[in-house]
Amino acid sequence: DVKVTQSSRYLVKRTGEKVFLECVQDMDHENMFWYRQDPGLGLRLIYFSYDVKMKEKGDIPEGYSVSREKKERFSLILESASTNQTSMYLCASSQRTSGRVRETQYFGPGTRLLVL
Amino acid sequence: GQNIDQPTEMTATEGAIVQINCTYQTSGFNGLFWYQQHAGEAPTFLSYNVLDGLEEKGRFSSFLSRSKGYSYLLLKELQMKDSASYLCAVRYNYGQNFVFGPGTRLSVLP
Repeated sequence: DVKVTQSSRYLVKRTGEKVFLECVQDMDHENMFWYRQDPGLGLRLIYFSYDVKMKEKGDIPEGYSVSREKKERFSLILESASTNQTSMYLCASSQRTSGRVRETQYFGPGTRLLVL
Repeated sequence: GQNIDQPTEMTATEGAIVQINCTYQTSGFNGLFWYQQHAGEAPTFLSYNVLDGLEEKGRFSSFLSRSKGYSYLLLKELQMKDSASYLCAVRYNYGQNFVFGPGTRLSVLP
């Protein structure tokens, strides 16, 4: 069965702290994604990665960085947490596609981060 | 840029039929997905359309018109457990990227 796991379900941090969110998938997927989800705004893409050591900025990368040292693991880093980064963070993975195939994204359970 | 629009909230009665619409503008379109997301949980895949027409899967059907940039998700014989948010997402850039709509929160009433 497909599995995407995230290191924490709930996290409370203080302003200025460095925060690490980890995501692991066991499906040998090439693509991995980090989103944040806020009421009324839907899922917004922060960063994605097509391969090991590869990263691309999404729509809202400011204040975030990522690391992908191994194929199965994609980390999101908040260098200096701020209150406007309080959100639900969702990791997803998908297989690399080259055509019109039914290849969806699989999501982790999410991490609800509160920055005080 | 990429843009997806869907209604924010909908309400329907148990046993009824509801249609959730989605309109989009994207480049390099390569498929439209519908996801279901219960409160506090991750989105889960419901359906996929890449060619025009209707895809049926049990109580759920999804329709796509690429020329109109339009899709809908049809839920029949509504059950209380169908109360959830429904996310429309388009895969673009010829296959690797997804953009999500804001989601439609559906409430099913007894």
